Amino acid sequence: NAGVTQTPKFQVLKTGQSMTLQCAQDMNHEYMSWYRQDPGMGLRLIHYSVGAGITDQGEVPNGYNVSRSTTEDFPLRLLSAAPSQTSVYFCASSFGAGRNIQYFGAGTRLSVL
Amino acid sequence: AQTVTQSQPEMSVQEAETVTLSCTYDTSESDYYLFWYKQPPSRQMILVIRQEAYKQQNATENRFSVNFQKAAKSFSLKISDSQLGDAAMYFCAYRRNYGGSQGNLIFGKGTKLSVKP
Repeated sequence: NAGVTQTPKFQVLKTGQSMTLQCAQDMNHEYMSWYRQDPGMGLRLIHYSVGAGITDQGEVPNGYNVSRSTTEDFPLRLLSAAPSQTSVYFCASSFGAGRNIQYFGAGTRLSVL
Repeated sequence: AQTVTQSQPEMSVQEAETVTLSCTYDTSESDYYLFWYKQPPSRQMILVIRQEAYKQQNATENRFSVNFQKAAKSFSLKISDSQLGDAAMYFCAYRRNYGGSQGNLIFGKGTKLSVKP
């Protein structure tokens, strides 16, 4: 059981470049989310999805785009990378809200120069 | 809006001793869940313990237990018989028991725990 798989683990971009962070889960979870983790800030929600074809913004959505065409995949796109997007990104999934455990991927460390 | 506050940016404990990490939260809801996640240097987020707000009994998982005070909106984590492997960043998190945006976790800023041999 792979759980939540994120790729790549590390990435360095130049300002203005675009890229996609991949996230896949094999647990048939409805909920999928993207968080960013910055020093002293905890994890903050970027975008989330409650099912295929349904996405919505979180606390810090600017500069990011998402789509959910399948239950398994939830990619995060940076259209024009900025140094402020240097962070560690986590994808998470769960069966639903409430007591359901959110399972996290191993994270992607992104540096934007 | 719900908020989660961890007032201790760093804590230190001697191996085999007990340490308590503090967490307070603000919500007007009555139906919610609280979580403690551990993040070791590997960066992986690991669920430590979970508490249902409707349960008065404090959750326990082996050496980890919580002190849940609903009226005070307090949710502290106690680690007994601390081990070197407990050294990590610990995050307190809140989640409403509803779908949509309320289904997402709201995190505190974390407490970095060091364990001295």
